[in-house]
Amino acid sequence: SQQGEEDPQALSIQEGENATMNCSYKTSINNLQWYRQNSGRGLVHLILIRSNEREKHSGRLRVTLDTSKKSSSLLITASRAADTASYFCAGANDYKLSFGAGTTVTVRA
Amino acid sequence: NAGVTQTPKFQVLKTGQSMTLQCAQDMNHEYMSWYRQDPGMGLRLIHYSVGAGITDQGEVPNGYNVSRSTTEDFPLRLLSAAPSQTSVYFCASSYVGGLGLGQQFFGPGTRLTVL
Repeated sequence: SQQGEEDPQALSIQEGENATMNCSYKTSINNLQWYRQNSGRGLVHLILIRSNEREKHSGRLRVTLDTSKKSSSLLITASRAADTASYFCAGANDYKLSFGAGTTVTVRA
Repeated sequence: NAGVTQTPKFQVLKTGQSMTLQCAQDMNHEYMSWYRQDPGMGLRLIHYSVGAGITDQGEVPNGYNVSRSTTEDFPLRLLSAAPSQTSVYFCASSYVGGLGLGQQFFGPGTRLTVL
């Protein structure tokens, strides 16, 4: 069974707006990772947050982690057309990384 | 550095045929893994390896074999292809630190169709 479940499944926003997506996971994790996938391509790592961290920033990305609720959120600020992609969260537990089904983000010019 | 490379990019098989998907990395990562991605779904872990000579099963291992004789290579073998194995296959590698798996470096994928 998949570890992470993203919400919403799809998101359409205007360029310049912020995009927020949420992820819930089922079991304990060592860390939680977010990835981006452009259509037909491999996944690209965005950010990793450890289980003892609550918030992390990287450029226009902000990730939060609430281990008590087993949930995480990814915020992309000031979105651009190039941010159009699918975004996946993945919970790392020992030697296994379990992915959710992803959120498809479309940024309209 | 080439990163993670996968061959072939595309493959069409007939039911019952066998084949090997190749994966190689040049980053000296101890951890390597195989995933499959089906339409509208995330990646599901097939097998993984934490070093040469060490492999273990993931979430969906049936119908697949792996071996790891070197740090660099981690081939995935389909023993007798079935239409249910039509998917896009991704290989990934990473370091393993004290706080778990590090960021994964993914290959470009192999698109497999089984007729």
